[in-house]
Amino acid sequence: DAGVIQSPRHEVTEMGQEVTLRCKPISGHNSLFWYRQTMMRGLELLIYFNNNVPIDDSGMPEDRFSAKMPNASFSTLKIQPSEPRDSAVYFCASSLRAGSEQYFGPGTRLTVT
Amino acid sequence: LAKTTQPISMDSYEGQEVNITCSHNNIATNDYITWYQQFPSQGPRFIIQGYKTKVTNEVASLFIPADRKSSTLSLPRVSLSDTAVYYCLVGDSHYQLIWGAGTKLIIKP
Repeated sequence: DAGVIQSPRHEVTEMGQEVTLRCKPISGHNSLFWYRQTMMRGLELLIYFNNNVPIDDSGMPEDRFSAKMPNASFSTLKIQPSEPRDSAVYFCASSLRAGSEQYFGPGTRLTVT
Repeated sequence: LAKTTQPISMDSYEGQEVNITCSHNNIATNDYITWYQQFPSQGPRFIIQGYKTKVTNEVASLFIPADRKSSTLSLPRVSLSDTAVYYCLVGDSHYQLIWGAGTKLIIKP
């Protein structure tokens, strides 16, 4: 398996623009996670899905952030409108079942100017 | 939810054993403990997971005392390539996940 796939790897955008990050989990994994990492705040869990259903989105910072998982092989994290403070590395991870180890993607480095 | 606390940084030398401790005083009955390793510009990578006592795999050992209020990741005979950030994660099967702030481990020659 190719592992968790994220796109794009790098994104530079201007404040106010919409940003969409994409993730393809490992085939057969039932859980998917979105994280944000910055120097100041460390690794933050934003939202996770189990069997394509959002279980906990309490980590989503504000209404500008939204996440979807239309099927078992694809998820998106959208920021609209983007702000400079959203600049971070966004990771997607998947796991086989509840409680099992998470496999992380390579991350998307987002820069909002 | 259990709050996790771990040292910000540590350093050691090649060939030494390194122990990194994570405190999780309010750990719940159903919570398990997992450690991840992260290199620069990469996502975290699973190292080891345990619930109680001792777990060992090919790269590390995890020691969990009876009260489970802390856990210690043990890396035997470290090398320069073990320089990384190590995260302690406490959570249960319902994904109440609490990540530690990470311990930056620097291995010197």
